[in-house]
Amino acid sequence: EVQLVESGGGLVQPGRSLRLSCAASGFTFDDYAMHWVRQAPGKGLEWISGISWNSGYIDYADSVKGRFTISRDNAKNSLYLQMNSLRPEDTAFYYCARGFTIFVRDGIDMWGQGTMVTVSS
Amino acid sequence: QSVLTQSPSASGTPGQRVTISCSGSSSNIGSNTVNWYQQLPGTAPKLLIYSNIQRPSGVPDRFSGSKSGTSASLAISGLQSEDEADYYCAAWDDSLNGNWVFGGGTKLTVL
Repeated sequence: EVQLVESGGGLVQPGRSLRLSCAASGFTFDDYAMHWVRQAPGKGLEWISGISWNSGYIDYADSVKGRFTISRDNAKNSLYLQMNSLRPEDTAFYYCARGFTIFVRDGIDMWGQGTMVTVSS
Repeated sequence: QSVLTQSPSASGTPGQRVTISCSGSSSNIGSNTVNWYQQLPGTAPKLLIYSNIQRPSGVPDRFSGSKSGTSASLAISGLQSEDEADYYCAAWDDSLNGNWVFGGGTKLTVL
C-alpha cells in the first residue's frame, strides 16, 4: 500500500524555522518526483514546491522562494521541507504528494494526510 | 487569487448531472493537461481525473473530464450524497520558471 506520512508540524513563532519530513513507503521512491502542497484553513490548495527523482530539478512558488528549501533522501525514502523566516500567512496544512513520474511537471497522483503548521506569536 | 478560475459553489439533487468548470490561459490549460482532485470534508485530496479525461483505477465512470482551449470541465452524472466535496482543477503553467497552479476550488453540495 502506498503511504506518505508527514511529520514535523506544530506551532512556531514568526521569523523562526521548521523542518517537515515525509516518509514514503509502498513504492519505489526514486521512481517519482515529489511535491509539497499547502492549504490554509478554509482555503484552497497551493502548490509550493516540487523536486524531481534525482533532485536535478527543483522549483518553488514565488510565495516561498528564498525561504523554503525542498530536499529528498532516496536512500531513506524521505522528502523534506526546510521552512525559514516563517510568516503568519504560512499557517496551513502541508501535504506531501507523489508525482505521476520522475518529472515535476507531470503532476500529482497521491497525497499524504498532511501536517499542520501554525505560525503565531 | 488563483491562477485557474472555478465557480466557488455548485449544487444538485441525487441522480442529477452537475458540471464544474475551470478557466485558465494559454500558458497553463491552453498548453498542458488538466488534473482534477476531490477533497472530502476533513480529508486529503484524491486524484479524480488526470490528463484531461483519464480516470484512475477505482474512480467511478460517473466522473468524466473534458478540455477545450483554455478551459476544462468536470462532469458528475448520477449525483450521489457521497459526492459532496470540494473539487479542484490543476495544471502546469509554462510562464516564468514553471509552476503547478490550482483552481480556487468548487464546493459541491448535494441537496
